[in-house]
Amino acid sequence: DAKTTQPPSMDCAEGRAANLPCNHSTISGNEYVYWYRQIHSQGPQYIIHGLKNNETNEMASLIITEDRKSSTLILPHATLRDTAVYYCIVRNSGYALNFGKGTSLLVTP
Amino acid sequence: GAVVSQHPSWVICKSGTSVKIECRSLDFQATTMFWYRQFPKQSLMLMATSNEGSKATYEQGVEKDKFLINHASLTLSTLTVTSAHPEDSSFYICSARDKGQAGELFFGEGSRLTVL
Repeated sequence: DAKTTQPPSMDCAEGRAANLPCNHSTISGNEYVYWYRQIHSQGPQYIIHGLKNNETNEMASLIITEDRKSSTLILPHATLRDTAVYYCIVRNSGYALNFGKGTSLLVTP
Repeated sequence: GAVVSQHPSWVICKSGTSVKIECRSLDFQATTMFWYRQFPKQSLMLMATSNEGSKATYEQGVEKDKFLINHASLTLSTLTVTSAHPEDSSFYICSARDKGQAGELFFGEGSRLTVL
């Protein structure tokens, strides 16, 4: 699987948009970009995934650059409950997820 | 999304005993399940991949005789930590892939093991 690079931590004010970047410059053509988050002492929660088009669901939006070497997860209106570690992972469909260190997002009042 | 349930959510045991953790896919059939381990302030580390009806594939450095994995049905995989020691204390998390999905993985709530 391609490696990803994420900032170790970010802060965001409650109600504002949280934009979490991820670099995956060695991604191959058949690898998807997945985002999961882990709230303290819980299992990871699926957020969103995409191949090359931008994606949106009820939780977030995923913006993938045209060259697919980076992506941004957008939480449009962050709440305190969005405080978690966010993992950006690239992988082929069907394989295990290999987690990096992720970005620890702190949403402040 | 699909639901994966783990049991127990936490367990405390004495050193030398064995502990079994169950992972169930509640509303889908999982041909493949993955077991992870997470130590405090660290990321999840893949331990093994289990496929229904066949032997598990272990990651490098994971002792297959110590961490026994059974995936006897499409909805249940078990991880048994044999002869547990304090260094086995960790957060164990399972993940399952719905055979009908395009590879999306769903995670259990995790099981926290403390070995005294």
